[in-house]
Amino acid sequence: EAQVTQNPRYLITVTGKKLTVTCSQNMNHEYMSWYRQDPGLGLRQIYYSMNVEVTDKGDVPEGYKVSRKEKRNFPLILESPSPNQTSLYFCASSFNSNSPLHFGNGTRLTVT
Amino acid sequence: DQQVKQNSPSLSVQEGRISILNCDYTNSMFDYFLWYKKYPAEGPTFLISISSIKDKNEDGRFTVFLNKSAKHLSLHIVPSQPGDSAVYFCAASGWRDDKIIFGKGTRLHILP
Repeated sequence: EAQVTQNPRYLITVTGKKLTVTCSQNMNHEYMSWYRQDPGLGLRQIYYSMNVEVTDKGDVPEGYKVSRKEKRNFPLILESPSPNQTSLYFCASSFNSNSPLHFGNGTRLTVT
Repeated sequence: DQQVKQNSPSLSVQEGRISILNCDYTNSMFDYFLWYKKYPAEGPTFLISISSIKDKNEDGRFTVFLNKSAKHLSLHIVPSQPGDSAVYFCAASGWRDDKIIFGKGTRLHILP
């Protein structure tokens, strides 16, 4: 089954404790992206990647890192999480930036 | 600066009638537009798209209209069904860069 898999689904952590949210897709997609969804703000793009070893900042990259060492994986790294990073995060993939995105089911992160 | 705007946070429509969701954009470089539907506790799913070379695209009960001069697109759902109750996101991308920008979403309620 074609899918984007994110883990974990729920995560509660404390300020400053490094964490990684994993994302994997099995559709051989070139394009992968991370979004955060916040009430009243919709979906905002954090980082995206056009291909292996190519990553670019989205609209809200501060406090996040990503890597794209393999085509299928695109982990989101929070080196020092802060409470303002409490949010619902979605990973997505597509053939390119002009094709429909396939989304994972989300990761709800709470930073206390 | 919000490049993709969905000015109606919510919309209620009687079952069987037409639902019209609106989206405005400011960036004239956008050339590909998509609508996504999102249920609670799930990731967004792709609904329908339109490229800037067209002014209309239809898929079953869903039709998207694009007015490039007004920088406006709309999604029509006819007839509206209870399962259409969800949050709808408008998104846009352009040839100049590979970001995919989303609006804040419109929550559609289909009333019995």
